[in-house]
Amino acid sequence: GAGVSQSPSNKVTEKGKDVELRCDPISGHTALYWYRQSLGQGLEFLIYFQGNSAPDKSGLPSDRFSAERTGGSVSTLTIQRTQQEDSAVYLCASSLFRDSPLHFGNGTRLTVT
Amino acid sequence: GDSVTQMEGPVTLSEEAFLTINCTYTATGYPSLFWYVQYPGEGLQLLLKATKADDKGSNKGFEATYRKETTSFHLEKGSVQVSDSAVYFCALRKTSYDKVIFGPGTSLSVIP
Repeated sequence: GAGVSQSPSNKVTEKGKDVELRCDPISGHTALYWYRQSLGQGLEFLIYFQGNSAPDKSGLPSDRFSAERTGGSVSTLTIQRTQQEDSAVYLCASSLFRDSPLHFGNGTRLTVT
Repeated sequence: GDSVTQMEGPVTLSEEAFLTINCTYTATGYPSLFWYVQYPGEGLQLLLKATKADDKGSNKGFEATYRKETTSFHLEKGSVQVSDSAVYFCALRKTSYDKVIFGPGTSLSVIP
């Protein structure tokens, strides 16, 4: 079946612009996660959704970052007024239940120039 | 805070060599421990897991044992293949209500 799909796969934007990153989880998966992977760094947790609510958004780096999930499915991560330090690969993962294995997408590579 | 530490890579091995990738963690209580693998061009996927002390997770010839006394979860494989070339991530989750915390990853290259 279809895996986790992320779009776009690559995004180049100018500093100060807003960007939206999209994640389509596996159908029926209730939990959805956003992580960020910078060059040479591990996976940095950003936010977790259970259904449409976000019980843990402790990893969002600043108020320029926001995320929403609608219909218990698609999620959008929005970064406002992008900065160069936002350049990274943004990974989305979903899981069937809260304690099930995570299934990752291939990520969106964001480059802020 | 809770964290995961892995041996730095990259690791380069010849085919059929023995593999160990060290992983240690810092967390209170009894977290579940995981190894995820990312093959070239693919998303991360779960390789194996262990949910309590002394449990051994295994899959595809890889093994890791949950050692509470040393807070470790080292990944081992007796004979690596070229197809095992990937980035390996150690991870923990304190409870099913918590996020999964990942280590920095260890890149493995296996040469024929």
